[in-house]
Amino acid sequence: AQSVTQLGSHVSVSEGALVLLRCNYSSSVPPYLFWYVQYPNQGLQLLLKYTTGATLVKGINGFEAEFKKSETSFHLTKPSAHMSDAAEYFCAVSEGAGNNRKLIWGLGTSLAVNP
Amino acid sequence: DTGVSQNPRHKITKRGQNVTFRCDPISEHNRLYWYRQTLGQGPEFLTYFQNEAQLEKSRLLSDRFSAERPKGSFSTLEIQRTEQGDSAMYLCASSLEGSPLHFGNGTRLTVT
Repeated sequence: AQSVTQLGSHVSVSEGALVLLRCNYSSSVPPYLFWYVQYPNQGLQLLLKYTTGATLVKGINGFEAEFKKSETSFHLTKPSAHMSDAAEYFCAVSEGAGNNRKLIWGLGTSLAVNP
Repeated sequence: DTGVSQNPRHKITKRGQNVTFRCDPISEHNRLYWYRQTLGQGPEFLTYFQNEAQLEKSRLLSDRFSAERPKGSFSTLEIQRTEQGDSAMYLCASSLEGSPLHFGNGTRLTVT
C-alpha cells in the first residue's frame, strides 16, 4: 500500500532563502508523485508532478522536485523564497501504477516566509 | 477553462439537518472526485465518478453520505442527519483519465 510522510509540519524561512520541503513515500509499484499548494480557504493547486522519465521535475512559481528512488524521496525546493510562497504544501502519491483516481496524501507542511 | 466550481463556499447547519453540496467540474473532464479535509490534515478520499458511474466509495463514507452525478456533468454530495464530526472542508476535483486532478475551492461545512 502507498503512503506519504512529510517531514516537518511547519517550516519557516526568510525571504530570499532556499525552500526545502521534505517528502518520503512508500509504494509497491512505480509511483506517480505530486506536490500541491493550498492557500487559505482555497482548494489545492498542482505545483508539479513526476510520472516517468526525467527525475528532476520543474513546476510553477519556480518550484522543482527531484525523484530519488533509492531514497524513496520527492523533496520540493525553490532557490529563493518569496512572501507569496507562504501556504500549505501537500505531497501525494497516486494509488496504483499510474492511476490518478485516488491520491494518498501527506499531512502537509505549512511554509512561513519571514521578511 | 473556468475551473472547478463548488457551491456553496460555506455552510453552517445544525446537527441533524441534511445538507447538499454541488460541484461543477471542468467541462471536458470525465472524472470527478470528492475529498474531505479537516484542519491540519491532508485530503481524505471519499468517492469518485467516471462519467455518471460511481466507481469507488471510501469506507469513510457512512450511509448518511450519498453522491450523484446523474448526467456525467455536475455532481452533488448529500449528508443526511449531520453530526458535529462532519464539520470539514469538502473538496471536489475533476480530471481527464491520466491527467492530474484540478480542485475547486471547496465547501466548508460547520455543524453546530
